[in-house]
Amino acid sequence: GAGVSQSPSNKVTEKGKDVELRCDPISGHTALYWYRQSLGQGLEFLIYFQGNSAPDKSGLPSDRFSAERTGGSVSTLTIQRTQQEDSAVYLCASSLVVDRPYEQYFGPGTRLTVT
Amino acid sequence: AQSVTQLGSHVSVSEGALVLLRCNYSSSVPPYLFWYVQYPNQGLQLLLKYTSAATLVKGINGFEAEFKKSETSFHLTKPSAHMSDAAEYFCAVTETSGSRLTFGEGTQLTVNP
Repeated sequence: GAGVSQSPSNKVTEKGKDVELRCDPISGHTALYWYRQSLGQGLEFLIYFQGNSAPDKSGLPSDRFSAERTGGSVSTLTIQRTQQEDSAVYLCASSLVVDRPYEQYFGPGTRLTVT
Repeated sequence: AQSVTQLGSHVSVSEGALVLLRCNYSSSVPPYLFWYVQYPNQGLQLLLKYTSAATLVKGINGFEAEFKKSETSFHLTKPSAHMSDAAEYFCAVTETSGSRLTFGEGTQLTVNP
């Protein structure tokens, strides 16, 4: 079946603009995660959605970052007033919560460049 | 709090030689441990996971890892390196099944002909 997909694959934006990154998880997966991969910080957790529970937002670096998950499926990560330090690869992952430990399946990522 | 340390940001081996990538973890509870591989411009692919059922875990592409509680280690090995193994490898830990992964800094593996 189809894996996790993300769009766009690449995004170049000017400093101060808002951007939206999209993630389509594997069908039926109830858990969805966003991570950020950057040269200086490695792989960092951003936010986690599990079913209808309140999301774990503890990894979001600032209030410019937000995410939502509509209908328990597609998720959008929004970055407002982008800064150059937001340049990174944003990775989405999903997992099926029936087997421990829950394997996370990753998408190809969105490479964000803020100029 | 959980954390992962990967010793060696770059490892270089000859084709056919043993691959050993080191990972040490810190966790306040019995951890779940993972190794992921990332090829250029791609996402992360799961190589193997530690589920507490067996300390020696076998994964895809001939890789395996051994969980050693006394050493808080989960090193990744492969008896014979192939050129196609060249990639970046990440060790990850989670304390609660289903929650966030905490990743190590990654190890770039180069395989020389």
